[in-house]
Amino acid sequence: AAGVIQSPRHLIKEKRETATLKCYPIPRHDTVYWYQQGPGQDPQFLISFYEKMQSDKGSIPDRFSAQQFSDYHSELNMSSLELGDSALYFCASSLRDQTQYFGPGTRLLVL
Amino acid sequence: AQKITQTQPGMFVQEKEAVTLDCTYDTSDPSYGLFWYKQPSSGEMIFLIYQGSYDQQNATEGRYSLNFQKARKSANLVISASQLGDSAMYFCAMRDLDPGGGADGLTFGKGTHLIIQP
Repeated sequence: AAGVIQSPRHLIKEKRETATLKCYPIPRHDTVYWYQQGPGQDPQFLISFYEKMQSDKGSIPDRFSAQQFSDYHSELNMSSLELGDSALYFCASSLRDQTQYFGPGTRLLVL
Repeated sequence: AQKITQTQPGMFVQEKEAVTLDCTYDTSDPSYGLFWYKQPSSGEMIFLIYQGSYDQQNATEGRYSLNFQKARKSANLVISASQLGDSAMYFCAMRDLDPGGGADGLTFGKGTHLIIQP
């Protein structure tokens, strides 16, 4: 069965640079979620979108923004990167409010 | 606000034994869902099992079952006949089930690191 696709899988950036993470949900899923997992931590919810509209907002820094496009894929834009932004970023997708299925994650390292 | 507590940072279990991973939760929402996810060392987050707050029966999925005790606000994961491949981090998570069906994010516990020994 098709799963959530995230790209890139690994990303290395310098401080103050920008990064864009992409997420392609499971076909027919209309909802995407973004999570950040720091080393040795539990995932923290950032933001979600349903039918291209922001649905819920968690602990997303003001330096980050996200959107969902007409084909339901989503992008997380991260600006003015800080060392503390180094983490595993997950995208998950679901059919409305059903179970969330996670992608493989993007490992971001900020130097 | 929702809160998930997993009191076992790590567990060692012999292969083929059953194992119970503890999870307690706190919420003021009358309708909520409880989830368990497995995270192997490779990093992916794998959905295991779901229990709705109004479900009358405990959820089961193959070797996984959820011991749901609503009055005690606990949702323990039971893995029967453990296998070496069960070694991983296990997260309990929850979200409220808004009647409007909003796409709310999950609140996770700190996780339990399970190691299955041969």
